[in-house]
Amino acid sequence: EVQLVQSGAEVKKPGESLKISCKGSGYSFTSYWIGWVRQMPGKGLEWMGIIYPGDSDTRYSPSFQGQVTISADKSISTAYLQWSSLKASDTAMYYCASLYSSGGFDYWGQGTLVTVSS
Amino acid sequence: SYELTQPPSVSVSPGQTARITCSADALPKQYAYWYQQKPGQAPVLVIYKDSERPSGIPERFSGSSSGTTVTLTISGVQAEDEADYYCQSADSSGTYVFGTGTKVTVL
Repeated sequence: EVQLVQSGAEVKKPGESLKISCKGSGYSFTSYWIGWVRQMPGKGLEWMGIIYPGDSDTRYSPSFQGQVTISADKSISTAYLQWSSLKASDTAMYYCASLYSSGGFDYWGQGTLVTVSS
Repeated sequence: SYELTQPPSVSVSPGQTARITCSADALPKQYAYWYQQKPGQAPVLVIYKDSERPSGIPERFSGSSSGTTVTLTISGVQAEDEADYYCQSADSSGTYVFGTGTKVTVL
């Protein structure tokens, strides 16, 4: 069974750094792209970027380029999303999702809620 | 940048048909995908490559495409279909984009 399990909720202060994770299981992690999606409170889905864990090829949405870093450690089947300096406007639910077989995001993690508040 | 526009809301009575459109603002259009998201849950893929249905998705969900507009149709709507629905596609450079989202209310 394909599963993506994300790290737990985080509460941070503005200016702090953060790295959240997404661990894949039940499939060949290195063979399928994984994307990150932001959902701000009460708002829609926003595609942030995507990584191919096999060679770490990464693409970013222009809206998020330079704002976050996407990475992966294929040895532990885990993808990451990180910030070097959080802002209150980064408060959101973040989902990872895999481009598995359909061409779309077939499987989704449960989401990681990030709250940034002073 | 590539944009996908959906109506903010659609209301439908149980047993009736709900149609949700998704319009692209540029060509060429790549395949479209549809996701259902219920409150407090992660999205679920309900249609892929314009009109294909993943296993486990009820037959009442169908998709179609015409020009730069794709449509998700829910036939014989049930109360459990009340949710937010998002279309998704990609531009020619491999940048993905989600539609603005449509809230489906079952009256």
